[in-house]
Amino acid sequence: DAGVIQSPRHEVTEMGQEVTLRCKPISGHDYLFWYRQTMMRGLELLIYFNNNVPIDDSGMPEDRFSAKMPNASFSTLKIQPSEPRDSAVYFCASSLFSGRSDTQYFGPGTRLTVL
Amino acid sequence: QQPVQSPQAVILREGEDAVINCSSSKALYSVHWYRQKHGEAPVFLMILLKGGEQKGHEKISASFNEKKQQSSLYLTASQLSYSGTYFCGTEPMNYRDDKIIFGKGTRLHILP
Repeated sequence: DAGVIQSPRHEVTEMGQEVTLRCKPISGHDYLFWYRQTMMRGLELLIYFNNNVPIDDSGMPEDRFSAKMPNASFSTLKIQPSEPRDSAVYFCASSLFSGRSDTQYFGPGTRLTVL
Repeated sequence: QQPVQSPQAVILREGEDAVINCSSSKALYSVHWYRQKHGEAPVFLMILLKGGEQKGHEKISASFNEKKQQSSLYLTASQLSYSGTYFCGTEPMNYRDDKIIFGKGTRLHILP
């Protein structure tokens, strides 16, 4: 398998613009996680899905952030409008079983810079 | 409920040993360890699911002390390839979510 795939790898945008990050999990994995990584906060869980259904979005910073998983092989994280403080590396990860007792496989990440 | 890792950073010479600690204020169901090299994604090292359990991978091993609500990662005879940031991820005992919460990480730098 190709592993978790994320696109784009780098994104530079201006404040106020809409940003869409994409993720393709490993085939057959039931769980998908979106994380944000910054120097100050470390690796934060934003939201996770089980069988395409959002289970816990308590980590989503505010209403400007939204995530969808229309099918088992695709998920998006959207920021609208974007702000400079959203600059971070965003990781998508998937696991076969529950994320608390199974290995999470991380994608390469999307480095987002908001000017 | 974010676990606390210590130390925040370590610098070692190749061949030296290191210990990284992960502590929680709550009783733990599981502890996960990941390593992230600079500019790359975190990579799974091991999961500890039972109190007192110890696991190892080559010269990297870990223990889980349920009573102390903490885990330690041991790196023996460190190699240059061990450099990176180590994260522990924990799940509190009373929570039945399918997620773990990561600590802020411990940066490990190995000098030749």
